Amino acid sequence: GAVVSQHPSWVICKSGTSVKIECRSLDFQATTMFWYRQFPKQSLMLMATSNEGSKATYEQGVEKDKFLINHASLTLSTLTVTSAHPEDSSFYICSGAGGFQETQYFGPGTRLLVL
Amino acid sequence: QKEVEQDPGPLSVPEGAIVSLNCTYSNSAFQYFMWYRQYSRKGPELLMYTYSSGNKEDGRFTAQVDKSSKYISLFIRDSQPSDSATYLCAIYNTDKLIFGTGTRLQVFP
Repeated sequence: GAVVSQHPSWVICKSGTSVKIECRSLDFQATTMFWYRQFPKQSLMLMATSNEGSKATYEQGVEKDKFLINHASLTLSTLTVTSAHPEDSSFYICSGAGGFQETQYFGPGTRLLVL
Repeated sequence: QKEVEQDPGPLSVPEGAIVSLNCTYSNSAFQYFMWYRQYSRKGPELLMYTYSSGNKEDGRFTAQVDKSSKYISLFIRDSQPSDSATYLCAIYNTDKLIFGTGTRLQVFP
């Protein structure tokens, strides 16, 4: 199957700082990338959808000024959590889709802990 | 009513058992159904993908869709301890995946 990588795999930061998470599709071109958040023992919640070269579309209740998404190329998307607070601590997972958006390939996730 | 409902478990079975995992969904227009496996602290891995009704088999795994009752199932034959994970059903709706809450499965030796 297609491979998606994420970096870093985990990050600890102080409250008020910004954190950038990278998502890369290694062996396919991801025309669409998705960002999810998963709290312990809960399912994945879609945060936003981004198409290469376009502005991201955010789900209801997700602050676009807080979670900045950039999808500059067909293989790279970044999520920046600005002015992170402890309640932003979560498991962030990206996925990429090529021609068929119903088939998404997920990265290994990034665990964020904000102190 | 949630678009996708899934029993969170946990489900604990002995090695070799047949496992049945299930989800229900609300919208009869849904056409694409997936099952993902997620190990602890890892991203989900696509296991099975089904379009419309019917069965699909891949090794020890069988995915089944019953559109008349809006019910999807994943069967695991000859379950192994390595199958211990959380299994998430997902439905593709318009332009995004909608996930169930996931069922945590534990296969003990």
